[in-house]
Amino acid sequence: DTEVTQTPKHLVMGMTNKKSLKCEQHMGHRAMYWYKQKAKKPPELMFVYSYEKLSINESVPSRFSPECPNSSLLNLHLHALQPEDSALYLCASSQVGGSSYNSPLHFGNGTRLTVT
Amino acid sequence: AQSVTQLDSQVPVFEEAPVELRCNYSSSVSVYLFWYVQYPNQGLQLLLKYLSGSTLVESINGFEAEFNKSQTSFHLRKPSVHISDTAEYFCAVSDRAGGFKTIFGAGTRLFVKA
Repeated sequence: DTEVTQTPKHLVMGMTNKKSLKCEQHMGHRAMYWYKQKAKKPPELMFVYSYEKLSINESVPSRFSPECPNSSLLNLHLHALQPEDSALYLCASSQVGGSSYNSPLHFGNGTRLTVT
Repeated sequence: AQSVTQLDSQVPVFEEAPVELRCNYSSSVSVYLFWYVQYPNQGLQLLLKYLSGSTLVESINGFEAEFNKSQTSFHLRKPSVHISDTAEYFCAVSDRAGGFKTIFGAGTRLFVKA
């Protein structure tokens, strides 16, 4: 069982819809991440939150809007997506501290998103 | 800048045979190296990591990897694979300069045949 929980597991949405992906962890990690993974490719970093503040935005289009309401929750709000945004969206968390760069990532099982 | 090269996109192997998945990295500073495994329809799971100390690191399910600084490699090995090891394996690197950014290799698909 994964310690990072993502909902929903699957999502189909039209290009005019608004939806949200949710992620929750209870490991006390203070860094949380959104990754996008296309088939047969490695994960691509989208956003990083550290202590509930946006730390990294990898030039992601504004149709993706992250939110970190508290230290355990991470949301990704979706609006006006394109078919090419169809992918597996992975949430991850890690410890933060003096050695945050060597703290491994803990991933959820992802949300499989299809944009029609 | 960091980069990770996984030299094989697919590795087919028979059950109970040994396997090596190759990974080379480039970085101008001290690095921290990871292997992650992704089973079908799941997220990535940490398999093992090298942070410092002994250059040979082991996982609980029989995999091992050796950090070789002179060859900038971190190859993953297992002496005898099982059908259940069929998965995608990602080598990854991070360093102090990169902060929260972990750089992943392209992945190697290990396919274990009966």
